[in-house]
Formats: sequence, structure tokens, C-alpha cells
Amino acid sequence: ETGVTQSPTHLIKTRGQQVTLRCSSQSGHNTVSWYQQALGQGPQFIFQYYREEENGRGNFPPRFSGLQFPNYSSELNVNALELDDSALYLCASSLWGLAGDETQYFGPGTRLLVL
Amino acid sequence: DAKTTQPNSMESNEEEPVHLPCNHSTISGTDYIHWYRQLPSQGPEYVIHGLTSNVNNRMASLAIAEDRKSSTLILHRATLRDAAVYYCILRDRRRGGADGLTFGKGTHLIIQP
Repeated sequence: ETGVTQSPTHLIKTRGQQVTLRCSSQSGHNTVSWYQQALGQGPQFIFQYYREEENGRGNFPPRFSGLQFPNYSSELNVNALELDDSALYLCASSLWGLAGDETQYFGPGTRLLVL
Repeated sequence: DAKTTQPNSMESNEEEPVHLPCNHSTISGTDYIHWYRQLPSQGPEYVIHGLTSNVNNRMASLAIAEDRKSSTLILHRATLRDAAVYYCILRDRRRGGADGLTFGKGTHLIIQP
């Protein structure tokens, strides 16, 4: 069973640029969620994709967008980067179901630094 | 999701049991109690979850109070590898997963050799 993988592991960008982060879901999972984790904080939910559509969203502006592909892999795109976007970006895959019983499996994250 | 309260940090010795508390006084009858942990430089990892009854798996045990207003994650024999931040999260089983997991600051568990 292949776990969740993310690329790249680290990335440095400058303010105003755009970035694309990638995630491969665990085998058999059809749902992917993205989280942002600032230093010293718990992860914050950005959005979730199911059946290639955004299915839910946290308190993040529209410049955070995503895609899910037919093979359930996913991308997170961030436009007009700001210094506060510097964080660890985590991808989690799961099997769609009721929230109570759903287990999310996280990747190792991509650390983004915006200068 | 209802709010949870955890101590900021706890310390324990290697090979001893560890009891990590979580208060969730506003829990509803349809909220599952989930625990995740995050080891240094890694993504969060699922530990265990339950609704009303105590639960055991290979990683830990979850003890749920009778009134469900609190729960305790039990690591039966801590190792250095268990040093991590532990998050207690409530998830409403009536809702789809579309709202994501709500992480607080968690409990930073320190294991002394």
C-alpha cells in the first residue's frame, strides 16, 4: 500500500509569485484535503476535493485554489504569494464517508518559504 | 465542530504509561472523538477514535467518560518515538468530511529516557 506523497519537499518563492504543490493520494482513496500549518500552530483546513470538485473550504481567500485529477492526485495553487503564506502545506487523503468515521492519512508536507 | 481543551505539554518517562486528557464539555451526541499525533518534521498521523465505548488498537487506548465530556488517550508503554504533539478532535458523524479536521494546539508530549 503506497502512502500519501507530496512534492516538492521544500520551496522558496518571492512575494507576488505563484506556486503549485502536488499530492498523490494513498491507494484506494477518493478524497483529498489540504491544510496549512504555520510554525508552532496546528494545521488549518484549506479545502477538500471529492470527485474532482471542491467539496468544502476553510477560511482561506480565493487565491488558494486546487485541482483533483481522475487518478485522485491533487494540486494546490497559491497566487500572489504573501509573506504570511510561509508554512508547511499538508495533503491528506481519505475515503469519502461520514465525518465521524473518516480517517485522514497525511503526507509529509511541503515547506514553503516566501521572501 | 465542538471545542476541545488539552494541556499545552506533558512529560513522562520511557516505558511508563502516559495518560493524555482532553476536555470537550460541549460535545454533542453525534460527535466522534478522534486523536491524531504529529511527530517532529512529519505530517499528522491517525491514532484512534471512538464514540461512546472505550476503544483499543495497536497504538493506544481511548477511555471515554460516561458523560462523554472528557476522554483520555492512553499510551500503555511510552517509547522515545511517542514524543509528539497529540491532537484531540471532535467530528460530527452527521456531517460529511467536507469541513476538514479542526486542529487546536494539542499537547506536546515529552518522553524522558
